[in-house]
Amino acid sequence: NAGVMQNPRHLVRRRGQEARLRCSPMKGHSHVYWYRQLPEEGLKFMVYLQKENIIDESGMPKERFSAEFPKEGPSILRIQQVVRGDSAAYFCASSRLPRQLNTEAFFGQGTRLTVV
Amino acid sequence: KQEVTQIPAALSVPEGENLVLNCSFTDSAIYNLQWFRQDPGKGLTSLLLIQSSQREQTSGRLNASLDKSSGRSTLYIAASQPGDSATYLCAVVPMETSGSRLTFGEGTQLTVNP
Repeated sequence: NAGVMQNPRHLVRRRGQEARLRCSPMKGHSHVYWYRQLPEEGLKFMVYLQKENIIDESGMPKERFSAEFPKEGPSILRIQQVVRGDSAAYFCASSRLPRQLNTEAFFGQGTRLTVV
Repeated sequence: KQEVTQIPAALSVPEGENLVLNCSFTDSAIYNLQWFRQDPGKGLTSLLLIQSSQREQTSGRLNASLDKSSGRSTLYIAASQPGDSATYLCAVVPMETSGSRLTFGEGTQLTVNP
């Protein structure tokens, strides 16, 4: 049973380009969360998605960032016109249930985005 | 708004020592609390999950406690080993948010010296 898979592991983009980060949740998990970890900072929530639905995007920057979780395929976090400040590690987590006392979130290895 | 604080930010101990990492949260209305381990350049590994109705959880040399009313959790590591060196993160699922969205502390960077 593979864990949460994120790709690519490392991504280098020039300023102004687009970055597409992919996350395949664990088998049987239909809830996906994206987090961002800026250098020397903690993880911050960005967006929570279920299949074909955005449930909570309160942590997403208002511009240039978007996320989707289609019926088929991985969840995608898209960053348009990247800037140096977007350089960070982006982590995806998945859970089987939306919320129960013992619902554990499982994390992927992250995608480290570097904007040059 | 829920905030999570971890003290100390960094800790260096000799091998074999027992140690305690601290986590505090401002709003006691939480669903559960998780402790994670993060190795440099790697993802997060879940160590322990404590439900809001529980007081502690144990796994091997790790023991985590939860005092919801005072907004505190501790992670106790017994007989520390160099392989325990990593950043330890505490995170809560606040009642006020959706799903299993986590609010993280800044982490404690642990170094265990041989």
